[in-house]
Amino acid sequence: DAKTTQPPSMDCAEGRAANLPCNHSTISGNEYVYWYRQIHSQGPQYIIHGLKNNETNEMASLIITEDRKSSTLILPHATLRDTAVYYCIVRVDGSNYQLIWGAGTKLIIKP
Amino acid sequence: DAGVIQSPRHEVTEMGQEVTLRCKPISGHDYLFWYRQTMMRGLELLIYFNNNVPIDDSGMPEDRFSAKMPNASFSTLKIQPSEPRDSAVYFCASSLSGLRPGANVLTFGAGSRLTVL
Repeated sequence: DAKTTQPPSMDCAEGRAANLPCNHSTISGNEYVYWYRQIHSQGPQYIIHGLKNNETNEMASLIITEDRKSSTLILPHATLRDTAVYYCIVRVDGSNYQLIWGAGTKLIIKP
Repeated sequence: DAGVIQSPRHEVTEMGQEVTLRCKPISGHDYLFWYRQTMMRGLELLIYFNNNVPIDDSGMPEDRFSAKMPNASFSTLKIQPSEPRDSAVYFCASSLSGLRPGANVLTFGAGSRLTVL
């Protein structure tokens, strides 16, 4: 599975959109981009995933560049409860469960 | 479903003692994972099972660690004897394989925080 690069930390004002970038320049054609987050003292929580099209669900939107070498997770209206570490992972579905989690991005939502 | 259930939530023990962590995966999930998380090393995969069979235990740090999955609804991670460097949060996760909606997504438990004195 490809390696990802994320900024170590970011701030965002409450109510604003939080845009979290992820670089995955060595991604393969059949690798999906997954986003999870970990709120303090809890287990990681799935947010969203995609292959090449942009995706949206009730939690967030995922924008993947056309060359698939990077992506952005968007939390449209951040709340204080969105303060967490956000992990970007790439993997081939159904194979190789040795996911590389990395250090993620610590997102702090400020009132 | 109540999600992935782990017990105990907190365990404090003395060096040399045996520790057993327990996990109940989501019903119907065919993959189960044991992870360890520390500040220094982040989230590390220890072992995972498919249909109750261990598939990859290359992340298990040493022979003091063992994991079993006697049936589809229960797994244990045992450390014997425990050492202070085993202090960490241990997470269990489960997932469903295949192409159905929700497949390949890991659902984590709340974790078991282990402190070895």
